[in-house]
Amino acid sequence: QQQVKQSPQSLIVQKGGISIINCAYENTAFDYFPWYQQFPGKGPALLIAIRPDVSEKKEGRFTISFNKSAKQFSLHIMDSQPGDSATYFCAASSASGTYKYIFGTGTRLKVLA
Amino acid sequence: KAGVTQTPRYLIKTRGQQVTLSCSPISGHRSVSWYQQTPGQGLQFLFEYFSETQRNKGNFPGRFSGRQFSNSRSEMNVSTLELGDSALYLCASSQQPLYGYTFGSGTRLTVV
Repeated sequence: QQQVKQSPQSLIVQKGGISIINCAYENTAFDYFPWYQQFPGKGPALLIAIRPDVSEKKEGRFTISFNKSAKQFSLHIMDSQPGDSATYFCAASSASGTYKYIFGTGTRLKVLA
Repeated sequence: KAGVTQTPRYLIKTRGQQVTLSCSPISGHRSVSWYQQTPGQGLQFLFEYFSETQRNKGNFPGRFSGRQFSNSRSEMNVSTLELGDSALYLCASSQQPLYGYTFGSGTRLTVV
């Protein structure tokens, strides 16, 4: 019940295309869902985050869509650029006492020029 | 504004030795978490500290320990190193626990 399932494992997209990464969770106590971007040799960097009371959040080219009833959320990268090539992690956490993120397994995105 | 600083960046240790990793959080951040990242297991939670108190510990053996000082700096210690402890160890800090953690670049530990 503590897992966050992320797909796909890897993704290749043409420059200018839309990249879509999906995550699913079981624990209904989760109430914060961040997405992180990680480049080789660097730590993960927070991209965007959402709470269950909102169905969509957009920041620049990055959008999170959230489906509370399906317990799923996804990251959409519009107009994907070669500089977006990185590994993306979704995560989930609960404010009710666990103080930890449960991370998905990561998606390696490659954007072709 | 300085980010989360982890030292050292790289470390090579021999099986059976012990190691201490250091983390300086962003100024003003009182919550510090540690994660282990490996290709096989991904990002796994180790501990979370807030105001010098450990509030949660992940599913790791007792060889993994940590602490937080009054200035919010944190250290983690691994004793009796095993080959499987080879990983990237990441520290993250936040003003409030859980929300918007900022990660450091990590310490790459190799056990030989």
